[in-house]
Amino acid sequence: DAGVIQSPRHEVTEMGQEVTLRCKPISGHDYLFWYRQTMMRGLELLIYFNNNVPIDDSGMPEDRFSAKMPNASFSTLKIQPSEPRDSAVYFCASSTRTGGFYGYTFGSGTRLTVV
Amino acid sequence: DAKTTQPPSMDCAEGRAANLPCNHSTISGNEYVYWYRQIHSQGPQYIIHGLKNNETNEMASLIITEDRKSSTLILPHATLRDTAVYYCIVRAQSGNTPLVFGKGTRLSVIA
Repeated sequence: DAGVIQSPRHEVTEMGQEVTLRCKPISGHDYLFWYRQTMMRGLELLIYFNNNVPIDDSGMPEDRFSAKMPNASFSTLKIQPSEPRDSAVYFCASSTRTGGFYGYTFGSGTRLTVV
Repeated sequence: DAKTTQPPSMDCAEGRAANLPCNHSTISGNEYVYWYRQIHSQGPQYIIHGLKNNETNEMASLIITEDRKSSTLILPHATLRDTAVYYCIVRAQSGNTPLVFGKGTRLSVIA
């Protein structure tokens, strides 16, 4: 298995532009999570899905952020319009119950820089 | 808020055992202790988890005190590649409540 695949690895964009981050979870995993990591705030959960349905989006910072999971193999996190304070590493993780517990597999992350 | 307390940083000599402590004095009876680590520029990686018994796998050992208020992650022979931030997380086993990460311990393995 190729693991959780995120794209792009790096994104540099100008303030005000729309940014779309993509994630392909591990096949068969029924949970998908989006996290954001900054030096100041550490790893924060933004939103998570179960069977493609959003369960908790209370971590989404503002209405400028939106996430979708149109099918079991794809999710997007969109920021529109982007701002410099959105600069961070965004991680996607997927999970399922294996051996009695839910282990998480994280992707390699997308490093977003908004200038 | 994270339910655990960890030292912000530790050093360990290469080849020696690294013992990373974690305090979780408010842990509930149905909560497990999980350890993840994050190597620079990578996503967090699962290491081990346990409820009340000591656990060992190919990566590490987990020692949980009898009152379950603290635990220690042991890397028996630390290598330079073990340099990372180590996160101790308490979480209920039932359901799939999301992992909540604290600040972790930055372990530096020194040659």
